[in-house]
This record gives sequence, structure tokens and C-alpha cells, in this order.
Amino acid sequence: EPEVTQTPSHQVTQMGQEVILRCVPISNHLYFYWYRQILGQKVEFLVSFYNNEISEKSEIFDDQFSVERPDGSNFTLKIRSTKLEDSAMYFCASRPSLGYTGELFFGEGSRLTVL
Amino acid sequence: QQQVKQSPQSLIVQKGGIPIINCAYENTAFDYFPWYQQFPGKGPALLIAIRPDVSEKKEGRFTISFNKSAKQFSLHIMDSQPGDSATYFCAATSSSGTYKYIFGTGTRLKVLA
Repeated sequence: EPEVTQTPSHQVTQMGQEVILRCVPISNHLYFYWYRQILGQKVEFLVSFYNNEISEKSEIFDDQFSVERPDGSNFTLKIRSTKLEDSAMYFCASRPSLGYTGELFFGEGSRLTVL
Repeated sequence: QQQVKQSPQSLIVQKGGIPIINCAYENTAFDYFPWYQQFPGKGPALLIAIRPDVSEKKEGRFTISFNKSAKQFSLHIMDSQPGDSATYFCAATSSSGTYKYIFGTGTRLKVLA
């Protein structure tokens, strides 16, 4: 069964360092998302991406964050200068097409720990 | 208006019990309401979902009840099992926008053997 894959599964970084989280969405999907979940809290929307551009972003997604689809398969989230409060689980999700009104498919997440 | 309120925060039931988790929303543009199940260290996985044109949907032991006028929906787990112990999130989205999900705060369910 096709799945969304994320790497790394866990990254530990020092405050102020840049981090790139990678996602490979399901191959025929066109819409991509990043969500964040601080430990024990709810899953929060960060950004949606379609046709090589951001279609919506939340207030959490400030200038420190950026997303990119550098090739036909990867979808990345970059945090330029990490802060302690960026420590969270980051989930990538994807869905097929504009007319599809169903499930968002989530990856297993990348745990980011900022020291 | 974008919030989805979920209760209770945690729930403990005996095996075979019927835990009920409730969610409420405000945005009438929401037209798809999924429930996700999350095990520790894993990503959320879709359990069941409903659209507002039906009042109930059943899949196996999981049932969603939907009250459009009250803007509420709930998840019932019949004959709950210890393997159902997980965190459950309700969510809502509008098919007219970017289809981002607004998640509830989650309910940690523990089913005792």
C-alpha cells in the first residue's frame, strides 16, 4: 500500500542550527502539507503546498520556515534557525487532487529535538 | 471560528465498554469530518469519516454520529478492546479551500483488559 515516508525519524539539533525535514508523498498526489505536534498536544496545521507554491500557511509558519519540492518526489520543510519551541513531531501529509474530498495521508513523523 | 473542540481529554473504560468522544465546531463551511487514531510514536491514521449529508456512519466497531444543527459529532467505539488504546483526534475541513484539517485537542483512550 502506498505511503508517505519521512526522514529522519528523529533529529537532535542545537538551537540556532538549520534543519531540513524530508518527505516523500504518495506518487500520484498533488497536494502536500506539513503539520506539527508538540508533545502531548494537538496536531497543528503549518502549511499547504500545491503546484509548486504555498497555497496556505498558518501564523506558526513564520519567516524561519520554508518548504520546497526540489524534484518530482521530495517535499521538504526547512527551519532556518531553530528555537527551543520548535521541538515537536512534524508530520507530512498528502492527498491526490483538487476534486478529491477524502483522507489526508500522513507520514509517521519526524521528531525534532532542539537543545 | 476555526476551532474544533474535543472532549474528554482522557478516558478509561473496561474491555467491552463503549467509549464516546465528542467534538464540536463552529465553521459551517466545514463539510468533511474525519477521526484519526494515533499510537505513540506514529502518525495519525484515518479511522472513519463522515460528511454532513448523513447523521450516522458505521464501520466495524466504530460509529460516527453527526448532528448538523448542533454542529457536533461524536465517535463511539463498540466492544472496545485493549488494542484500541490510543489517542483519538477529530478533525474538520472544508472542501472549498486548501483542505487543511483543523484538529481537535485529542482524547487519550485507555481500555483496560
